Amino acid sequence: DIQMTQSPSSLSASVGDRVTITCRASQSISIYLNWYQQKPGKAPKLLIYGASSLQSGVPSRFSGSGSGTDFTLTISSLQREDFASYFCQQSYGMPQTFGGGTKVEI
Amino acid sequence: QVQLQQWGAGLLKPSETLSLTCAVNGGSFSGYFWNWIRQPQGKALEWIGDINHRGITNYNPSLKSRVTISVGTSKDQFSLRLSSVTAADTAVYYCARGAGSSCTGGTCYASDWWGPGTLVTVSS
Repeated sequence: DIQMTQSPSSLSASVGDRVTITCRASQSISIYLNWYQQKPGKAPKLLIYGASSLQSGVPSRFSGSGSGTDFTLTISSLQREDFASYFCQQSYGMPQTFGGGTKVEI
Repeated sequence: QVQLQQWGAGLLKPSETLSLTCAVNGGSFSGYFWNWIRQPQGKALEWIGDINHRGITNYNPSLKSRVTISVGTSKDQFSLRLSSVTAADTAVYYCARGAGSSCTGGTCYASDWWGPGTLVTVSS
């Protein structure tokens, strides 16, 4: 299985901050990397697919970059509603695998 | 607007079989992969498997011997069965739509619509 390693596992930030979360794959996955946001008690929500494509309806302050093994999710100006957990997922190989998550806290 | 509704037993005893069903409303059933994904409390997500409208399945090898995903007898439904459950199978189980979108160099797949989740607890 392809292992997905996210860092950090948690971070503290303030409204307006620029936040960066990284995800590293154990082998090259090209651009087949997705990012999800999850709030407590809710299902994950797709933010970014194909490493950098913004899902319809997702605010433009979210962006993704990277290819191969190293990927980044950036929130350009953190809003109150962005305090949540974020997961990366690779869809390159079977089985699909997820990162361990990053919790963004105040 | 696509909606996924899911239901099934929430409390099981060890060795019993978990059974969940997901109904798709507001969108086409064909042309997508339909996933089951689970999440133990406070932990990462784990992909269980998927199925398309023709009944072609893919399973996570770590669960393959115990998992069956099938298309439902009712329209636009699919189901999960996980046999011989243990406490390690305690988790929130989600159904989700897997969709392909055009991306640089090809087609990128992601789960774009999710059900609300069902908490399944395995306890004697």
